[in-house]
Amino acid sequence: AQSVAQPEDQVNVAEGNPLTVKCTYSVSGNPYLFWYVQYPNRGLQFLLKYITGDNLVKGSYGFEAEFNKSQTSFHLKKPSALVSDSALYFCAVEDSGTYKYIFGTGTRLKVLA
Amino acid sequence: IAGITQAPTSQILAAGRRMTLRCTQDMRHNAMYWYRQDLGLGLRLIHYSNTAGTTGKGEVPDGYSVSRANTDDFPLTLASAVPSQTSVYFCASSEAGLSTDTQYFGPGTRLTVL
Repeated sequence: AQSVAQPEDQVNVAEGNPLTVKCTYSVSGNPYLFWYVQYPNRGLQFLLKYITGDNLVKGSYGFEAEFNKSQTSFHLKKPSALVSDSALYFCAVEDSGTYKYIFGTGTRLKVLA
Repeated sequence: IAGITQAPTSQILAAGRRMTLRCTQDMRHNAMYWYRQDLGLGLRLIHYSNTAGTTGKGEVPDGYSVSRANTDDFPLTLASAVPSQTSVYFCASSEAGLSTDTQYFGPGTRLTVL
């Protein structure tokens, strides 16, 4: 069965430092991977997705993610964190052939001033 | 502004009562989804619809029903609410219901069942 894991419940990083939010997946076919961000009391907002092609995907707000097939990972990264990046981040994988997402449990990012 | 609207924003409901959460999109997307968000569990799919007139069950469909009479609306009904249905509910849509589609989310409905 398809699945996605976010091993860290919370990540703390100082403002200006690089950040990484981890995601690993398990799928039977080609993975379609997504990252979303949720600010307090808001719906999820799309950041980026990997479908095919270049392993480094660039998205909104300066975020990027690297698809690594051998490690079955799709970590979210940003070179320089902002306090305003503090939010809940979700990784998702398409459930092969069903057109539906499977979401990770989320990682809370806290950027400290 | 194009997007998804949900109503109500929040609701407190007595157990056993019937409740319908409303969801409307104006993007003419074919596919729509209902998720519930619970602490530590992420988002779980309740029901979905790939196109008007069709619906399907997600991961946690029990106690919920949906209908898709037209493209724009996708209401979620709790026939007889129970406390375990206390959650935040999100409606989402995607253009074609394809594997590679981006899903767009509404602002959510916070439901408390007492």
